[in-house]
This record gives sequence, structure tokens and C-alpha cells, in this order.
Amino acid sequence: AQTVTQSQPEMSVQEAETVTLSCTYDTSESDYYLFWYKQPPSRQMILVIRQEAYKQQNATENRFSVNFQKAAKSFSLKISDSQLGDAAMYFCAYRSAGKSTFGDGTTLTVKP
Amino acid sequence: DAGVIQSPRHEVTEMGQEVTLRCKPISGHDYLFWYRQTMMRGLELLIYFNNNVPIDDSGMPEDRFSAKMPNASFSTLKIQPSEPRDSAVYFCASSYTSSSYEQYFGPGTRLTVT
Repeated sequence: AQTVTQSQPEMSVQEAETVTLSCTYDTSESDYYLFWYKQPPSRQMILVIRQEAYKQQNATENRFSVNFQKAAKSFSLKISDSQLGDAAMYFCAYRSAGKSTFGDGTTLTVKP
Repeated sequence: DAGVIQSPRHEVTEMGQEVTLRCKPISGHDYLFWYRQTMMRGLELLIYFNNNVPIDDSGMPEDRFSAKMPNASFSTLKIQPSEPRDSAVYFCASSYTSSSYEQYFGPGTRLTVT
């Protein structure tokens, strides 16, 4: 079975600084996709960024980028120029054959 | 599209009562997922459907929980009888078939069982 591990229950960052959230996963499959979702206090789950496992190039979406290390099964999220609105719980997710597996989440606090 | 629609948004019920949560997925999506979120257990996948057929219900806690998807635009999650430990936020999500697509989540139903 696939597992997703987020080893940092909580992280904090100063506004305008950079923070990296960690995620590792375990799978024996070769075709899969990885996602980071954000859940603000409103509890609405929002997609932040996705990565195709077959692509070596790391995905980037504005201030959000990933460091995808397929051999190490690592998928970290980097948030640059952190803003107060980035404060939320972040979930790493793995998806293959339709089904998704989510990590336990990392709560990010942004300090003004 | 209005996104994934869930009702009710909040539900407070007494132990032993039947609870029915409802979900309308995004039109055209053929996967539907039910999740439960609690502080203790995080985000748990309860069951998911593909083309209205249940594919994996291994996450359903026990026989008190049941889910149906009678058509492509509607699904229910029923708890009978409800217990205080069922208190949680229940999310419905939908997506297209390919795993390359993200899941679109509804706003969730906050269930409180007293």
C-alpha cells in the first residue's frame, strides 16, 4: 500500500521569507502523480501544485515550487516570499489508479 | 460550474440518530470520494466510486456507515446509528478519471454527535 509521510506537524516562517515543507512517500508503482493541497481556516481544500512522476523538471506555480526527488521518493514544497495568506494546513498527496493517499498535514504559521 | 456541493454544512444530532450527508459532484467527473477529517486521525479516505460503482470501501469504519451513488450527480453517506466518536468534518471530492487530475473538494459537512 502507498503511504505518504509529512514529518513536520508544524512549521513557522517570517513574512517574506522562504519555507520548505517536507513529504516522502512509498510506492512500488512507476506511474503516479503528486500534489500539494492547502487547507486554510475556512477548511476548503485547494490545489497548490502538482507533479507528474515521469517528469524530471520540478513544477512551479508562482511563489510555490517543488523539489521532486523520484529515487528518494521525496516531494517537498517551497514557498517563497511567504505571505500572511499562506497560513494554512498543507497536505501532500499521492495519486495512482484513481485513488489518492494523503499525508497527515503540516500546519504553517506565517509571522508578520 | 458551482463546484462540489455538500449538504448540510453543519449537522448536530443526538447519539443513536440516523445521519445522511449529501454530495453533488462536478458535472463530468467520474470519480467521487468521501473523506473524514479529525484532529486525531487526520484526513481518512472512507470510500470512493468510479462511474457510480464503489471501488474501495476499506476505509469505512464499520457497518454503521454506508454510502451510495445512485447516479452520476448524487451521492450519500449515511451513519446509522450515529455515535459521538463519529463527530468530524466529512468531505466529498470529485475528479476526472486520470490520476493526473486533482480532486476538487466540497466545503465539508461538520457533524457533531452529542
